[in-house]
Amino acid sequence: GAVVSQHPSRVICKSGTSVKIECRSLDFQATTMFWYRQFPKQSLMLMATSNEGSKATYEQGVEKDKFLINHASLTLSTLTVTSAHPEDSSFYICSASNRATGGNTIYFGEGSWLTVV
Amino acid sequence: QQQVKQSPQSLIVQKGGIPIINCAYENTAFDYFPWYQQFPGKGPALLIAIRPDVSEKKEGRFTISFNKSAKQFSLHIMDSQPGDSATYFCAASIDSWGKLQFGAGTQVVVTP
Repeated sequence: GAVVSQHPSRVICKSGTSVKIECRSLDFQATTMFWYRQFPKQSLMLMATSNEGSKATYEQGVEKDKFLINHASLTLSTLTVTSAHPEDSSFYICSASNRATGGNTIYFGEGSWLTVV
Repeated sequence: QQQVKQSPQSLIVQKGGIPIINCAYENTAFDYFPWYQQFPGKGPALLIAIRPDVSEKKEGRFTISFNKSAKQFSLHIMDSQPGDSATYFCAASIDSWGKLQFGAGTQVVVTP
């Protein structure tokens, strides 16, 4: 079946640095990808909708200059957390839809744990 | 604000029992209602999904009941097993490939 891959699965970075998380659709083209954030024992909160070849659409309250999203190809979207701080430590999850290839399902990646020290 | 309200927050059942998780929504534009299972440290995995034109859907041991007039839907896990212990999320979206609004999650523990 369709697979969405995230990399890295775990990353530790120093406060003030930037970190990039990749989301790839492995066997389908994804014109739209979504980025979620999940704190421990909480639900998934949508951060932004990433559209291939255009600017991402951010949810209310999400700083677009802090969470940079790029969707340069039909199989890759990246989330860059800029000037990371300890409060950015969280589980980041992407999802992708296979709508472009005639499907109607959203597939989730395995998530990326970010720890800012 | 949470567009999809989920309850209970947690529940414990014995093996073979039937945990039931309930969700309610307000936005009548929602027309796709999936349930996801999430194990610690993993991304959510789609279990089963339903559209408003169907009142019930079964896949294996998982059943969704849908009440369009009440704007409520629920997940039943038949013959639950310890391996079903996980957090379950209901969600809703305007289409099956759009952005999902998640419920708060229910931690289910199935004891041996």
